[in-house]
Amino acid sequence: QLQLQESGPGLVKPSETLSLTCTVSGGSISSSNYYWGWIRQPPGKGLEWFGSIYYSGITYYSPSLKSRVTISVDTSKNQFSLKLSSVTASDTAVYYCARQLWGGYLRNIDYWGQGTLVTVSS
Amino acid sequence: QSVLTQPPSVSGAPGQRVTISCTGSSSNIGAGYDVHWYQQLPGTAPKLLIYSNSNRPSGVPDRFSGSKSGTSASLAITGLQAEDEADYYCQSYDSSLGGVFGGGTKLTVL
Repeated sequence: QLQLQESGPGLVKPSETLSLTCTVSGGSISSSNYYWGWIRQPPGKGLEWFGSIYYSGITYYSPSLKSRVTISVDTSKNQFSLKLSSVTASDTAVYYCARQLWGGYLRNIDYWGQGTLVTVSS
Repeated sequence: QSVLTQPPSVSGAPGQRVTISCTGSSSNIGAGYDVHWYQQLPGTAPKLLIYSNSNRPSGVPDRFSGSKSGTSASLAITGLQAEDEADYYCQSYDSSLGGVFGGGTKLTVL
């Protein structure tokens, strides 16, 4: 059974960079036809897609966040990571990592991590 | 404001049928991109409920069904049960924005 687990600081100061890692177990991050993505959910609000990466390093980013987001992959560790720069309080959210099917374009998400709450505060 | 529009809330009595709409545009649903639905129980990660407009993953009861027409999609839940009380999100792909979600709909079982 595939499992995804987010890890990283739960508290980040304003203007700093938020960094999270997702460790994939029970399967290979180098699987064909799957991208690996990040989604966040501010408290009490809806889901927002950040971007997704293929094991080869091909990335798709949300245009609204692209200037602050970097998603990378480390196939040797079966991990992928998120960096979000210049954070503000509005970046406080539960951050999920996920596996997303590729079928000519990004399709459905079939596996999700449990999510990790990141709070931006001084 | 979300690219895909969902009603903020719907409700129904046990045993009834409810539908949740998801309205997009010509750059996402109307462009032919598939719509997917997720159920999120309180305090948990979303769970895939319907993929590619109308397909159910293994283990999802057939009380849940999806459809798509034009620039909109719908999720229908029949035989409503108390355990169905959750938030529901639609998701698609947009030719300019990439992955997009609806704002979510809270289902209350009366």
